[in-house]
Amino acid sequence: AQSVTQLDSQVPVFEEAPVELRCNYSSSVSVYLFWYVQYPNQGLQLLLKYLSGSTLVKGINGFEAEFNKSQTSFHLRKPSVHISDTAEYFCAVSPQGGSEKLVFGKGTKLTVNP
Amino acid sequence: GAGVSQTPSNKVTEKGKYVELRCDPISGHTALYWYRQSLGQGPEFLIYFQGTGAADDSGLPNDRFFAVRPEGSVSTLKIQRTERGDSAVYLCASSRGWDGPGELFFGEGSRLTVL
Repeated sequence: AQSVTQLDSQVPVFEEAPVELRCNYSSSVSVYLFWYVQYPNQGLQLLLKYLSGSTLVKGINGFEAEFNKSQTSFHLRKPSVHISDTAEYFCAVSPQGGSEKLVFGKGTKLTVNP
Repeated sequence: GAGVSQTPSNKVTEKGKYVELRCDPISGHTALYWYRQSLGQGPEFLIYFQGTGAADDSGLPNDRFFAVRPEGSVSTLKIQRTERGDSAVYLCASSRGWDGPGELFFGEGSRLTVL
């Protein structure tokens, strides 16, 4: 079975500051890794994913994440945030070669203040 | 519409009643998923359809929960004898099935409140 831990439930930052949202996972098999974002009053949408290859993946809206197998982490970063990045961010995993279902973390609420 | 549509957006019911939640996926998407999101939690997998058949229903919490997708498009999640603990946002997602793992498109959810 897989599990995901998002270490921060809330992250407040000022506009144009850098941000890192942390995600650690546990799995006995290799996994695929994802970040989804949920803007207020909208459905979740895929931000980026790691399937294989380069451990640094780039997503939409200037976000990127780095897969670290030894630390079982997949932290999300952005060098300079905007007010419009205010949203809830969910890290998720699914087992390679297994079920299509995703296991999500509890989410991190990012609030960007002016 | 262009996205995944879920109805109703809000449903308030009394304990013990029967509830149906509907999901209309993106046209042409063969895979459909139901998740449940309780307050302060991430989405929790319930069931996954590939076409008309349930490929994985391991997340359904008990036999009060049932889902169908008779024609491989619209799906209905059915909850019998609702309990207060069933209160949550029920999310539906669909995928093309060949965009690679995890490329899900989510609806805005149906918020269920059981009084």
